Amino acid sequence: RKEVEQDPGPFNVPEGATVAFNCTYSNSASQSFFWYRQDCRKEPKLLMSVYSSGNEDGRFTAQLNRASQYISLLIRDSKLSDSATYLCVVNMPTGGFKTIFGAGTRLFVKA
Amino acid sequence: DTGVSQDPRHKITKRGQNVTFRCDPISEHNRLYWYRQTLGQGPEFLTYFQNEAQLEKSRLLSDRFSAERPKGSFSTLEIQRTEQGDSAMYLCASRRPTGFGGNTIYFGEGSWLTVV
Repeated sequence: RKEVEQDPGPFNVPEGATVAFNCTYSNSASQSFFWYRQDCRKEPKLLMSVYSSGNEDGRFTAQLNRASQYISLLIRDSKLSDSATYLCVVNMPTGGFKTIFGAGTRLFVKA
Repeated sequence: DTGVSQDPRHKITKRGQNVTFRCDPISEHNRLYWYRQTLGQGPEFLTYFQNEAQLEKSRLLSDRFSAERPKGSFSTLEIQRTEQGDSAMYLCASRRPTGFGGNTIYFGEGSWLTVV
């Protein structure tokens, strides 16, 4: 089993749609969680951290379920500029917090 | 912050040659990571340094790969006897010490390697 697994993509949605991505992680001792965004041939950049209580940043909402070892990202009112790959990221407490990335979910937002 | 800097940004090399990539992390970030990313995949963890100590090394890293961070500042990743399968983007990232706010890692723009 992979340490971090994400929904397979790609997701093709029209502008204005709501889309949700899911991610599961294998190490129950993992302590911090993030979503990163990566544009084609660019480096990953932090989109948002994921907190136990859930958190929202504009059109983006992240949720964490520790019992199920599951995190999610919801994007409301999708924009063309949201087209990118979304990477689920988990800090695992091995050797001083190893940061592991999921394979990513590709999102295409169409006009 | 001046950002994480990687050099060279692009490298084309013949199979069997050695290549070395350099990473300069954000100053005061004591944690440094190397990842490899191929098309359609997420970044794969290669190795991790806390200051000059290499705390973890992935099984993905064969004996041909070695990384150093001699003074706890910049790091180098060397690939010996390159193979075509080594073609990828090599990403460096850094993070603040624990307790200094944030667990976020920040990436450099990556070093693209093409082995021909």
